[in-house]
Parts: sequence; structure tokens; C-alpha cells
Amino acid sequence: DVKVTQSSRYLVKRTGEKVFLECVQDMDHENMFWYRQDPGLGLRLIYFSYDVKMKEKGDIPEGYSVSREKKERFSLILESASTNQTSMYLCASSYSGGREDGNQPQHFGDGTRLSIL
Amino acid sequence: LAKTTQPISMDSYEGQEVNITCSHNNIATNDYITWYQQFPSQGPRFIIQGYKTKVTNEVASLFIPADRKSSTLSLPRVSLSDTAVYYCLVSLYGNFNKFYFGSGTKLNVKP
Repeated sequence: DVKVTQSSRYLVKRTGEKVFLECVQDMDHENMFWYRQDPGLGLRLIYFSYDVKMKEKGDIPEGYSVSREKKERFSLILESASTNQTSMYLCASSYSGGREDGNQPQHFGDGTRLSIL
Repeated sequence: LAKTTQPISMDSYEGQEVNITCSHNNIATNDYITWYQQFPSQGPRFIIQGYKTKVTNEVASLFIPADRKSSTLSLPRVSLSDTAVYYCLVSLYGNFNKFYFGSGTKLNVKP
């Protein structure tokens, strides 16, 4: 089974702090994703990466950056945390596959519940 | 962006078949339809994916009419453990910026 591990289940930080959320996958997947999930808004894509050192913006990249130095690890960075970034953050990974395979399933971690005070 | 519309919530009883319909009027020719399941305090889990007609696996079936403007996830004989949020999304192959999870359907299975 694919395992996507997020470094923390719960995290409390203060406004203005630089926050790092770490994600590791063990299936040699090319693609990795960061989402945030808020009540009534579903999951929203922040950033994704389809290869080492490659990144693409999702729907809501403002206030975030990412880093992918190794294939198995994808980090989300809040440069200066604000209270409106309090949320559940979900990391996912997927295999690229061929077009005939459709979209490969995304495998999610169990999330990091981040509170910014 | 092919957004989807699903009922906010549904109730069912153990042993019943549950059908959750998703509307995606703006689906494009090359979009796929994918369903995920999410339990509390966990990330979403892939259930099934299809492009047209019918797809079946060990946990669910996916029915897609010819016009592809909607799709129906069918869960046979649900149990209490199927209580979860179900997300329908449509997406162009490899175009991750077009993934849209929406708010999902909260399925509540009663004894």
C-alpha cells in the first residue's frame, strides 16, 4: 500500500512565524500535491509538483511556497503565517501513468490540522 | 473548469443500495470522472474512475450516461462504515490545475 506521511497531525503556530509542513511518500510517485480543506469549501489545491524541483501553482497559492528537493519529499512553507491560514492541510501523491490510464488515483496523507494564533 | 454539483447530504439504512448523483454540465471531451471517499480525520481515498458507460470494481459502480453531463456512484448494500463524505470530480488527464473537489456529499448510514 502507498503510504503518504505528514510530519505532524496537529500544529499550533503564531502569526508571523515561518511554518514548514513536511510530506513524504514511499511509492516513487512523480506527482505530489498540497491541498487545504475548510468547512463548506471542500479541498482546494495550493501547489503541485510533477518532478523534483518542479512546481506549479494551484487555485490558492498566495501566502504559500513549496520545495521539492527529493522525489519522495514535498514541503509546504507558510512564509509569514496569518490567522486565515488556519486550516486542515492535506498532502497527496500520484503516479503519472499513461493517458490511457486516465488520471492516476491520488493517495492522501491523514492531514495536518494547523492553527495560527 | 468543469465544476460539479452534488447533494450536500444523504441518509440511508444498512443493507440498502445508495446512489449519489453528480452533475457536471460543462464536462469536456477528454475529462475523466473520479470519486473519492473521506472519513473524519483522514485524507480522501480513491473509489472509482470512469470515462463513459459503466465501471465496476469491488466496492462501487459508476454509471455515466451518453451525454456525460452527470454520473452516479452506486454503493451496494451499505454498512455503518460507509458513513463518509463522497467527492465527485472531473478532470482532464494530467491537468492537475483543473481538479475540483467541491464540498462533497455527506452520506449518513443508519442502523
